[in-house]
This record gives sequence, C-alpha cells and structure tokens, in this order.
Amino acid sequence: LAKTTQPISMDSYEGQEVNITCSHNNIATNDYITWYQQFPSQGPRFIIQGYKTKVTNEVASLFIPADRKSSTLSLPRVSLSDTAVYYCLVAFTGGGNKLTFGTGTQLKVEL
Amino acid sequence: NAGVTQTPKFQVLKTGQSMTLQCAQDMNHNSMYWYRQDPGMGLRLIYYSASEGTTDKGEVPNGYNVSRLNKREFSLRLESAAPSQTSVYFCASSAGDGPYEQYFGPGTRLTVT
Repeated sequence: LAKTTQPISMDSYEGQEVNITCSHNNIATNDYITWYQQFPSQGPRFIIQGYKTKVTNEVASLFIPADRKSSTLSLPRVSLSDTAVYYCLVAFTGGGNKLTFGTGTQLKVEL
Repeated sequence: NAGVTQTPKFQVLKTGQSMTLQCAQDMNHNSMYWYRQDPGMGLRLIYYSASEGTTDKGEVPNGYNVSRLNKREFSLRLESAAPSQTSVYFCASSAGDGPYEQYFGPGTRLTVT
C-alpha cells in the first residue's frame, strides 16, 4: 500500500504559480497518481491523473519523475478561489479497497 | 443528471441507535465507495463496492455494514452508533475499480451523542 506524504499547508498570492509535492516512496508499478481538490463542506473533486512524465489539462499540470517516488501538482496563476485542500492519491486497477486520501495540503491564496 | 446524491444531509443520533445512510448515482458507474472524514484526518475508506453484487472492506470498516442494492444504490448502516462515529460521511462512485475519477456526493454530517 503506497503511503503518501504532503506538506500540511502552503500560502500563496493571486497570480503566482503554486507547486505542491507529494511523496510516495513505495509506489508500485501498477499505481496511478491522482490529485483531488476539496472545498469546505463539499466532497473532493478530481483535478488530474498521471502515470509518468507530464500531464496537463485546462486547470493544472502534473509532473512525475522517472523513479515515480514523488509527484508535483502545478497550479498556474492561482486565484482566491483556489484556496482549498489538495489531496494526492495513488491507486491501481482492482485496488479500490486500498484507496487512501491522506491528510492533504491546505492551500491559502491571498490578494 | 444529479450525479451522486446522499440522504440525509444531517443526522443526530443517540449512542446505541441505528441508522442507514443512503447513496445513489445516475452515471451508470460500476464502483461505489463510502468514506468518512474527521477534522484534520483526510478521507478514510470504510467500504467499497467494485461492481454490483460485491462489497469489500476498506481501511476503517468496524461498526459499519453496507449493501449494494443495485447498480445505482449503495447504503451504509450503523447498527449501534457510538460517539466515535461522529463524522462527515461521503459517498462516491467511479466508472471502474481503482485509479478512476471518483465523483463525490455532498456528504452527510452525523453527530452521535
């Protein structure tokens, strides 16, 4: 079971790029890396998923080095509305019972 | 499409009482999940159902039972509620079992006194 470690909190200002790193030292060959965002009193929402190298979508990029022991979620030009908790998750097909969200990273964006 | 719906939104129970949390999804997803979230603890998986007719324990199953009634519905039952079960409960669904995008319901805030 791949355990993930993230910083507890980060602070940023509007317009800056934010990079949140997740450590998953014992990631397995079949594991994928997924990031979720959660606002207060809401369920988490999917942001991005990847297996290796780099993945980009309309809201974020995910960087995964060759050894896959860590991953970095990059949020370009954050705004106040990006203030939320961000979770890193590793999972493999057929491993639904191993899903663990961890404690996440509280991102606070200020003016 | 409503996505994932949960009932009730709020519930207060006395120790020893029982209740069932209901969850339904209209996205024709195969897999469904129940999580609990305590302050500062992130989400912990209670039970999940990889497909209709199957259920399996997650990280914290003690004190809970589940039923995958059909493809749409997945219920969570507390037979004898305890104060330690005070939490926010989230139901989620996904197309497949594992690294698939999960869609979450709005949550049920449960207090056990």
